[in-house]
Amino acid sequence: QKEVEQDPGPLSVPEGAIVSLNCTYSNSAFQYFMWYRQYSRKGPELLMYTYSSGNKEDGRFTAQVDKSSKYISLFIRDSQPSDSATYLCAMSADQGAQKLVFGQGTRLTINP
Amino acid sequence: DAGVTQSPTHLIKTRGQQVTLRCSPKSGHDTVSWYQQALGQGPQFIFQYYEEEERQRGNFPDRFSGHQFPNYSSELNVNALLLGDSALYLCASNPGQGTEAFFGQGTRLTVV
Repeated sequence: QKEVEQDPGPLSVPEGAIVSLNCTYSNSAFQYFMWYRQYSRKGPELLMYTYSSGNKEDGRFTAQVDKSSKYISLFIRDSQPSDSATYLCAMSADQGAQKLVFGQGTRLTINP
Repeated sequence: DAGVTQSPTHLIKTRGQQVTLRCSPKSGHDTVSWYQQALGQGPQFIFQYYEEEERQRGNFPDRFSGHQFPNYSSELNVNALLLGDSALYLCASNPGQGTEAFFGQGTRLTVV
């Protein structure tokens, strides 16, 4: 069993839709949670960072962490074609970005 | 402000050869991590360098080695290349105890 599970998709939604992306994990020691966006043939770009449980909002993006269920989510409101990319969840048990453990990534397409 | 820079961008090597990849961290960052990303997969942690020492290592063989220089830049060396080493190699940097890791564009290595 992988430490971090993420549905690879692909996920295709119309422009303007609310997108929900999710990851589950098995290691209860994880306490730092991140979402990255990766365009084709590019490096991952940090979108959201959350420590422990709770919600964090940044513009059209909202990250949620439920440590009791070992479940994290990323919501994208008013989705745009430019949001089309692969979204990766990542998590770590330690400060200093030590050993980030990534999900497989979900490929998202926003259709105009 | 320059972000994380990696060189070269692309590389083709023959099985059995050795390769060196280079990374310059984001300004103000002193910690560098290396990841391997196979096609369609999330990045896998190789190792992290802090204060010129390997701080943590993932599940990779000794053929993978690294170095960090006094200016915080880093190299990843892979010996005795295998076809399975073909992947996107990503470098990430963060400030010592900061958990937000920023990635470079990656080096795409093809082993033939």
